[in-house]
Amino acid sequence: EVQVVESGGGLIQPGGSLRLSCAASGFDVSDTYMTWVRQPPGKGLEWVSVVYSGRTSYYAPSLKGRFTISRDNSRNMVFLEMNSLRAEDTAVYFCARGGSSGSKLGWFDPWGPGALVTVSA
Amino acid sequence: QSVLTQPPSASGAPGQRVTISCTGSNSNIGAGYDVQWYRHLPGTAPKLVIYANTNRPSGVPDRFSASKSGTSASLAITGLQAEDEADYYCQSYDSSLSGYLFGTGTRVTVL
Repeated sequence: EVQVVESGGGLIQPGGSLRLSCAASGFDVSDTYMTWVRQPPGKGLEWVSVVYSGRTSYYAPSLKGRFTISRDNSRNMVFLEMNSLRAEDTAVYFCARGGSSGSKLGWFDPWGPGALVTVSA
Repeated sequence: QSVLTQPPSASGAPGQRVTISCTGSNSNIGAGYDVQWYRHLPGTAPKLVIYANTNRPSGVPDRFSASKSGTSASLAITGLQAEDEADYYCQSYDSSLSGYLFGTGTRVTVL
């Protein structure tokens, strides 16, 4: 079964750092692109970052410089390193596999259940 | 600023049809980038219901259909069922962001 599961969420003080992990099973993260999406409390989904199979990565403009996405192919995992955390980073963070079919790409499936990150003093 | 705009809510009685619009711009939908749709119940993993504008993943009932034209897209749910109550989000790629973009979300209520 193809699935992803996030871990590493928790309560962190403003200015602190946290690393989220995403464990993949049923497929190889090296063969596809992986993304992180977040949902702040009471708000909609917000795209965070993507890492492609060639390790090229992109970030939401508002996050650039504070967040870093990476991939460990040997462990079949993806990570999101978050630094200088702010209260507005409080959210459920989802990991998802990128989908492709022929020349088409750009969708995310499946998604993990999410990891809650709370930034508060 | 790049944004995909959806109506905040939509509703219908069981068995009826509901449609959700997703309005973008020339840097995303209007540039030809594909549109996806997701169903999300708070506290659970979002689920892909439409990819590449009109395609349904395996297991998604044919009550779900979608279309795209110009800078907009839409999702239709026919034969509305209680289990269809959820938040629905459109999603596309945006060239000005060099990244992805989600719609503002629409809460579907079955009356």
